[in-house]
Amino acid sequence: LAKTTQPISMDSYEGQEVNITCSHNNIATNDYITWYQQFPSQGPRFIIQGYKTKVTNEVASLFIPADRKSSTLSLPRVSLSDTAVYYCLVGGVNTGGFKTIFGAGTRLFVKA
Amino acid sequence: SQTIHQWPATLVQPVGSPLSLECTVEGTSNPNLYWYRQAAGRGLQLLFYSVGIGQISSEVPQNLSASRPQDRQFILSSKKLLLSDSGFYLCAWSTKQGTLPEQYFGPGTRLTVT
Repeated sequence: LAKTTQPISMDSYEGQEVNITCSHNNIATNDYITWYQQFPSQGPRFIIQGYKTKVTNEVASLFIPADRKSSTLSLPRVSLSDTAVYYCLVGGVNTGGFKTIFGAGTRLFVKA
Repeated sequence: SQTIHQWPATLVQPVGSPLSLECTVEGTSNPNLYWYRQAAGRGLQLLFYSVGIGQISSEVPQNLSASRPQDRQFILSSKKLLLSDSGFYLCAWSTKQGTLPEQYFGPGTRLTVT
């Protein structure tokens, strides 16, 4: 499985756009990139998944450059309720697809 | 819709005592099932995953074991708990569809070993 590296923590203010970058230099051809959000004392929750270029849904965007060795989760106009830990995962069919490793994540703290 | 249940929600156990945590999933069939542990302030550690009844894969050698006696039931056990077993235990399920299927997590069990 590809190892991922993320910043340990980030601070932001309400209304700002937040970009969290994840490095995955050893990503395999068939691997996908997934981001999860976790609040204290809860299980993680799926945010977004992508393979290449850009993916957007109602809560976030995911930017993946052509070499796919990194990805950036973009949260538009964050609010206090976006304070959470964000995990980047990489995996795919060549690793069983269902077998995933969560790293330490990035702790985002949104201030008023 | 699918739901995932875990119990108990919290548990305090003495060192050396046995452990049994249960997870059940409703509204789906033949799911992949996972057990994770999260130490305080840390990321999630995958402990076990299962692709079917009686099929268990262990990710980390330890004094824990897992069983899947029914399609939508996943049990985490220990014969003798260690202090290092304290943590937040999460069960998750996913379909088998897609390259990296989304995992859906339960509410978790907070275990304190004293």
